[in-house]
Order: sequence, then C-alpha cells, then structure tokens
Amino acid sequence: EAAVTQSPRNKVTVTGGNVTLSCRQTNSHNYMYWYRQDTGHGLRLIHYSYGAGNLQIGDVPDGYKATRTTQEDFFLLLELASPSQTSLYFCASSDAGGAQAEQFFGPGTRLTVL
Amino acid sequence: GDSVTQTEGQVALSEEDFLTIHCNYSASGYPTLFWYVQYPGEGPQLLFRASRDKEKGSSRGFEATYDKGTTSFHLRKASVQESDSAVYYCAQHTGYQNFYFGKGTSLTVIP
Repeated sequence: EAAVTQSPRNKVTVTGGNVTLSCRQTNSHNYMYWYRQDTGHGLRLIHYSYGAGNLQIGDVPDGYKATRTTQEDFFLLLELASPSQTSLYFCASSDAGGAQAEQFFGPGTRLTVL
Repeated sequence: GDSVTQTEGQVALSEEDFLTIHCNYSASGYPTLFWYVQYPGEGPQLLFRASRDKEKGSSRGFEATYDKGTTSFHLRKASVQESDSAVYYCAQHTGYQNFYFGKGTSLTVIP
C-alpha cells in the first residue's frame, strides 16, 4: 500500500513569512506532485518532479518554489507568504508518468496566512 | 487546452437514489480518465480508471464508461448510501502532460 506523509498537518503564518511544507513517500515512486485545493477550483498542480534534483512547473507556480532532495522527499517553499496562499495543500506520488499512473495522495497540510 | 469539466458544487440525494455526476474532457491526445474520491479529512484516492474508448471502469458499485465520441466519462451509481458522502473528482492524463482534475462534486447522501 502506498504511503505518503505530510508535515506539518496545520500551519499558521503571517503575511511575508517563510514556510516549508514537507512530503515523504515510501513507495519508491519516481514522480511527486504538489497541489493546492480550494473551493470552486478543485485541485490545481503547483509543481512536480520526476526524480531527485528534478523540478517541473505546474499550472499555478507563482509564489512557490519546490525542491526534490531525494527520491523520497519533496518540499514546497513559500518564501514570502501571502493571504492568497491560504489553502489545503496535497502532496502525491506516482510510479511513473505514463497515462495509466495512479496518484497516491497524502493527508494534506492546511496553511493559513494571516 | 486540456481540461476537465464536471458537475460543479454540491449534490444532495437520499439513500437508494440514483447518482449521476457528469464529466466531460478536452484533450489534445488520447487520455486515460480517472475518478477519484475524497472522504472528509483525507486525500483523494483512486476509485477507478479507463484508458480506451468504450471501456467501463467500476468499483464499489460506481461505474463510468469512456466515450470518446462525446468526450465523456460520467459517474453513476444505482443506489447511493450514506457512506458514499464525499467529494468526487474526474481527472485525465495523457502521459506527457499534467494530470487535469475537475473542480470536484460534493455528494451528500441523506439517510
């Protein structure tokens, strides 16, 4: 069974603050993703990676950086957080980038920017 | 561009009602289509997928048939239960592009 964990589960910061969201997967998956989930928008892809050291831009990357340090670990960085980044963030992993690939999601991190 | 459009907002049904959530896709290639379900407090999880025209995906009494002609993958269940209350996402993936998720449909089943 796929296992994706995220930390922290909840985070409150202030405008201009620096935030790092962490994601770890223990499935030996190559692909990892960061999404944000907002009412009325569903899931939107921020960044993804197909291996350590690789980074690809998603659909809503502005204001976010990401880094994939190992096959297991993928981080999302908000260096100057803004209230518009208040959201529920999900990390996911998949075995491959092929069309059949199932994504396995973590439990989410709720971020509030005051 | 590539996208997914599904029944938006909230759907409220009584137990044993018939469920349909509409999903239509726009893709430059030949996508695999997915239905994901998200229960409260959890991340989305795969319900099922289909990758060929006329292929039916199914799980837990839910089903959908890939229709390339109408670019649709509508989710149906003959008799919903309270435990089916969740958010449902339709998604597509062509293998060389991002996954595209619909905006989600929140289903509430009233006992």
